[in-house]
Parts: sequence; C-alpha cells; structure tokens
Amino acid sequence: DTAVSQTPKYLVTQMGNDKSIKCEQNLGHDTMYWYKQDSKKFLKIMFSYNNKELIINETVPNRFSPKSPDKAHLNLHINSLELGDSAVYFCASKGQIVNEQFFGPGTRLTVL
Amino acid sequence: AQSVTQPDIHITVSEGASLELRCNYSYGATPYLFWYVQSPGQGLQLLLKYFSGDTLVQGIKGFEAEFKRSQSSFNLRKPSVHWSDAAEYFCAVGQSGTYKYIFGTGTRLKVLA
Repeated sequence: DTAVSQTPKYLVTQMGNDKSIKCEQNLGHDTMYWYKQDSKKFLKIMFSYNNKELIINETVPNRFSPKSPDKAHLNLHINSLELGDSAVYFCASKGQIVNEQFFGPGTRLTVL
Repeated sequence: AQSVTQPDIHITVSEGASLELRCNYSYGATPYLFWYVQSPGQGLQLLLKYFSGDTLVQGIKGFEAEFKRSQSSFNLRKPSVHWSDAAEYFCAVGQSGTYKYIFGTGTRLKVLA
C-alpha cells in the first residue's frame, strides 16, 4: 500500500484555469505538507496542516488554497494558474512522535 | 535564521569510488538532520536521520552520515558507489518543537561506469 499518494501524477493545463491536486496518507500521521519543487530542484515548503488546522503558510500567493477535510487528506487548489506555477508539487506527512517526513511521488504541473 | 547549505551542485564519481556529499547548517540548538534521495521522476526517500546520540548514523543503501557540531556539518558518505546511486541528494534540517523543515538546494550525483 502506498503510504503517501498524490493525484494526478501529471497535470497539463492552460493559463488562467483552476486546478486541484489531491493527497492522501494512510500512515495515521497528524501533520501534512505541501512543497513546491522548481526546475532547479529547489524544494520550498508552502503549507502545513496539523490535525486539519493550518500551521504553516509560507507567503504563498492566495491563488493557492489548501484544504484538509480530515487529517488523512490535504488537497491543494490553485486558481488562475500562471506560467510560474509550473513545477513539481510534493505532499508529505509526519507523525506526532517521529520527526521524519514521508513524501508522495509528486505531481508535475505544466502551465501552458 | 535557520539555513542549510549544500556547497556542491554537481558531483561526478566513478562506480566503486567513495563518496562524500557536504551539508552545512545554521541553527542555534541541536537540529534534527536528514538526508533524502530523489531518483529521476520520483519522490524523496529518507536515507538517514540524526536526532541525538551517536554522531555517526547509518542509513539505507549503505549510506552513513556524521554529525559534527563544531563544524555545523552533516556530511553523507558511502564507501563504494553503485551506478544506481545516481540521483539528487537533499540535506534537510528540522526544528525541535516546530513542524518546519528547511531543505538544501540539493547535490546531483552522476556515476560513471
């Protein structure tokens, strides 16, 4: 069973569209994250939720809106997509006791 | 402010040669330190971690890392590299008591046959 899964794996869309990426973890973790990895492989934290509450919001444009319906899911909705949003987006989760993150396989978003 | 530096953007080694990837961090207290590997088109996989205790930690795939507080370093080593080790390697630091992790910019390892 995949510990942290993301859908879709690839997403190609036009500028101005709205899209969502979904993340689910079956590890029983309390904390989930979204990271953005740019073309130079730089990995930057965007958001983190702990037990469905937003705890980290790293000056991300408000076109990005995370939603956590329960602690096993953290979705990312992006409005009015721009060329600069093209990147690989990774979801991760972390348990309460163990301080390591488990990453999903990533979603490659391409905005045309 | 917390930061992680990986001074080497690219490293090329021959198969069977030894490897050391450098990582320096800036943090006031004892950090949580991690090394992750990312194969092409894949997510990040944890190689090893340091929280406390023995400063030499063993990880998966034959990797080890040594925490040196005096040098603020957490370098990753492998005595004999395999072609399958070609990947991007990330060092990361976490803060005790918070949820935030900072990643280095990564080192791309190329392995020559």
